[in-house]
Amino acid sequence: AQSVTQPDIHITVSEGASLELRCNYSYGATPYLFWYVQSPGQGLQLLLKYFSGDTLVQGIKGFEAEFKRSQSSFNLRKPSVHWSDAAEYFCAVRRFTSGTYKYIFGTGTRLKVLA
Amino acid sequence: NAGVTQTPKFRVLKTGQSMTLLCAQDMNHEYMYWYRQDPGMGLRLIHYSVGEGTTAKGEVPDGYNVSRLKKQNFLLGLESAAPSQTSVYFCASSQFLTNEKLFFGSGTQLSVL
Repeated sequence: AQSVTQPDIHITVSEGASLELRCNYSYGATPYLFWYVQSPGQGLQLLLKYFSGDTLVQGIKGFEAEFKRSQSSFNLRKPSVHWSDAAEYFCAVRRFTSGTYKYIFGTGTRLKVLA
Repeated sequence: NAGVTQTPKFRVLKTGQSMTLLCAQDMNHEYMYWYRQDPGMGLRLIHYSVGEGTTAKGEVPDGYNVSRLKKQNFLLGLESAAPSQTSVYFCASSQFLTNEKLFFGSGTQLSVL
């Protein structure tokens, strides 16, 4: 069965430090991968997506992610974290099944940023 | 630009009561989805629709019903609320042909006592 795993439930980093959030997927075909961010009390907002081509994708707010097929991973990175990055981050995979697109989300990683 | 609007934002129900959550999108999107978000479980798909007049079950449909009588609206109903349905509910929409991403509403916090 297709699935998305985010092994870290909580991560705490200091402002200005680098960040890497892990995501592993299980999917038979070439995956369509996404990272979404959820600020407190808000809906989810797309950070970036990978469909094909260059395996390093750039997103909004200075985030990037790298697709590694050999490791079935799509980790999210940011060189220098800002206090406003504190939020919950979700990795997701999209699949086409039963005539429609469905999105499978990971369980999320909550990021705390220390001043 | 309104995008995806959910009403209400908060609701408290007693066990056995019924209610309807409304999702409205103004982007002319074909696909609409209802998710529930619970701590440690991420987002789980309840029901979805691929167009006006169509609905289908998702991952956790039991206890919920949906309707999509108009393209812009997707209603989620709870006929007899249970404490296990205490959750945050999100509606999302996407375009059929491009379908590059989901547009989310801001959520409905539902508590069932």
